Amino acid sequence: GAVVSQHPSWVICKSGTSVKIECRSLDFQATTMFWYRQFPKQSLMLMATSNEGSKATYEQGVEKDKFLINHASLTLSTLTVTSAHPEDSSFYICSAGGGGGLSQPQHFGDGTRLSIL
Amino acid sequence: GDSVTQMEGPVTLSEEAFLTINCTYTATGYPSLFWYVQYPGEGLQLLLKATKADDKGSNKGFEATYRKETTSFHLEKGSVQVSDSAVYFCALGLGNEKLTFGTGTRLTIIP
Repeated sequence: GAVVSQHPSWVICKSGTSVKIECRSLDFQATTMFWYRQFPKQSLMLMATSNEGSKATYEQGVEKDKFLINHASLTLSTLTVTSAHPEDSSFYICSAGGGGGLSQPQHFGDGTRLSIL
Repeated sequence: GDSVTQMEGPVTLSEEAFLTINCTYTATGYPSLFWYVQYPGEGLQLLLKATKADDKGSNKGFEATYRKETTSFHLEKGSVQVSDSAVYFCALGLGNEKLTFGTGTRLTIIP
């Protein structure tokens, strides 16, 4: 069964609203979570690394004030798209690692399809 | 910077055909290499991995060998099945759990 739960799986909202996406590790503690964005027929692009109890590390070109990340516990990270606009429409995917480096596989959520009207 | 170049799809094969999906990489250090698979309606799952040169990762009949001299990690399977239809992603990682992905290759197997 799924070890990382992402919610919601699909959301449609009006331009200007804020949308929160949750990523939960179900049966392990995730010291690190990652947020990706995937455009149609393109690769997953890492947006930010979320570390429990500290500020997220954003990749170059990602607006931290636009994409707010909170990792308040070892099992939950949230991504909030603030004042969303149609260009923010995309597929967002989270993953969680147990802190064992690359020796342990990352577990991915099923993704959230965000559509801004 | 680090990057992964993956064979563009979509790829359509008949059942029991031989599969190769090419993947090459560019990295500043010595990466670990991965193949992830995404079945319809599901999240990404790790298919196989290799952590150093000449390592061979294998799982579910799929294989890939870490070739440092050609900076490649091509995915192969000798006889594909309909259930192998999915999107396959090649990825590299450098120590801090961050992964760099290729664009993905959609594979469709027809009976």
